[in-house]
Amino acid sequence: GAVVSQHPSWVICKSGTSVKIECRSLDFQATTMFWYRQFPKQSLMLMATSNEGSKATYEQGVEKDKFLINHASLTLSTLTVTSAHPEDSSFYICSARAPSGTVGGEQYFGPGTRLTVT
Amino acid sequence: EDKVVQSPLSLVVHEGDTVTLNCSYEVTNFRSLLWYKQEKKAPTFLFMLTSSGIEKKSGRLSSILDKKELSSILNITATQTGDSAIYLCAVDAGNTPLVFGKGTRLSVIA
Repeated sequence: GAVVSQHPSWVICKSGTSVKIECRSLDFQATTMFWYRQFPKQSLMLMATSNEGSKATYEQGVEKDKFLINHASLTLSTLTVTSAHPEDSSFYICSARAPSGTVGGEQYFGPGTRLTVT
Repeated sequence: EDKVVQSPLSLVVHEGDTVTLNCSYEVTNFRSLLWYKQEKKAPTFLFMLTSSGIEKKSGRLSSILDKKELSSILNITATQTGDSAIYLCAVDAGNTPLVFGKGTRLSVIA
């Protein structure tokens, strides 16, 4: 099946700093990637849809200036949490839409990045 | 608005029990229904269902889709403590993000 990686797996940063999370599709090209946020014991919350070469589409209530998304190539999307605050601490998961017919479904998830802001 | 509803929200069973998790959906352009298992990290894929009435099976897990009832069930037989996880149901409605249910938290106790 298709593989999606995320880096870093875990990051701790100080309040006010910015953090960049990378999402890569390792063995397929993904024209669309998705960024999710997950709070403890809750389901995934879609933050934005990232399309290669164009601006991301943000879900209602997600601050686009705070969560900067760049989909620079068909295999890489980045999420930058700017001026992070403790309330931004969360588990961030990316997924990539695999080409039609890929075994295992249409959307593959990265392993997630746990962000802790102190 | 597309939506996916899972039940129960939480379930505690003993090892060896059989469990059935439910997922119902309302979407305008159904393509497939997917089940995921999530432990400590991101969800891992279990099944993708597109056709009604055809059971997909993987070891002790099985799932089936009922397009008439707009629902799916995930069965786990002879549960083990390693089955403890959140099970997520999602629907693919075309060129849009997957629509997720809130998940069922399964706890299997020895």
